[in-house]
Amino acid sequence: EIVMTQSPATLSVSPGERATLSCRASQSVSSNLAWYQQKPGQPPRLLIYGASTRATGIPARFSGSGSGTEFTLTISSLQSEDFAVYYCQQYNIWPPLTFGGGTKVDIK
Amino acid sequence: EVQLLDSGGGLVQPGGSLRLSCAASGFIFSTYDMTWVRQAPGKGLEWVSTITDTGGSTYYADSVKGRFTISRDNSKNTLYLQLNSLRAEDTAVYYCAVAPWDYYFDYWGQGTLVTVSS
Repeated sequence: EIVMTQSPATLSVSPGERATLSCRASQSVSSNLAWYQQKPGQPPRLLIYGASTRATGIPARFSGSGSGTEFTLTISSLQSEDFAVYYCQQYNIWPPLTFGGGTKVDIK
Repeated sequence: EVQLLDSGGGLVQPGGSLRLSCAASGFIFSTYDMTWVRQAPGKGLEWVSTITDTGGSTYYADSVKGRFTISRDNSKNTLYLQLNSLRAEDTAVYYCAVAPWDYYFDYWGQGTLVTVSS
């Protein structure tokens, strides 16, 4: 099973600042990595797939990078609606599909 | 517009059973693999099970293997998850999801809450 580890667990950021979230895989997942955003009481929302491709309708302030075992989600200038929990997910080798434990981005 | 409507959750005693449903619309249901993902209260996301488009193959997380059964009825555009021998640790919101291109999930249901408690 591929273990996905996200850091930090919580990230406190001021509106307008840049946020950088990390995701590490226990073995290479190539570029088969997705990022999701989840707000309370809502299902996850797909942000990024293929490590760096934005999903339909996702603003350009969200960007993904990395390959192999190290990945980054960057939010260039945080807006109020971006405060949420973010998850990474690998789909390179499965079953099982595996998610990271999440990073909560909250207001500083 | 793709819509997934999860239902069937509720309160059940340990050892009990429940069947979840996911009614799909807005896409050709019979041509896509379907998946269940769950989220325990205050916790992260956990993949539970996937079924291929025809129902010919099914996959399960080790935590539910032998207790849960995924199935589908393509004539009714509906996905199911039969939950047996339920445990307290199965308490979670269960989401159905579809991955049109690869195994990342573009579309999710709103979730249905399963609570296992005496």
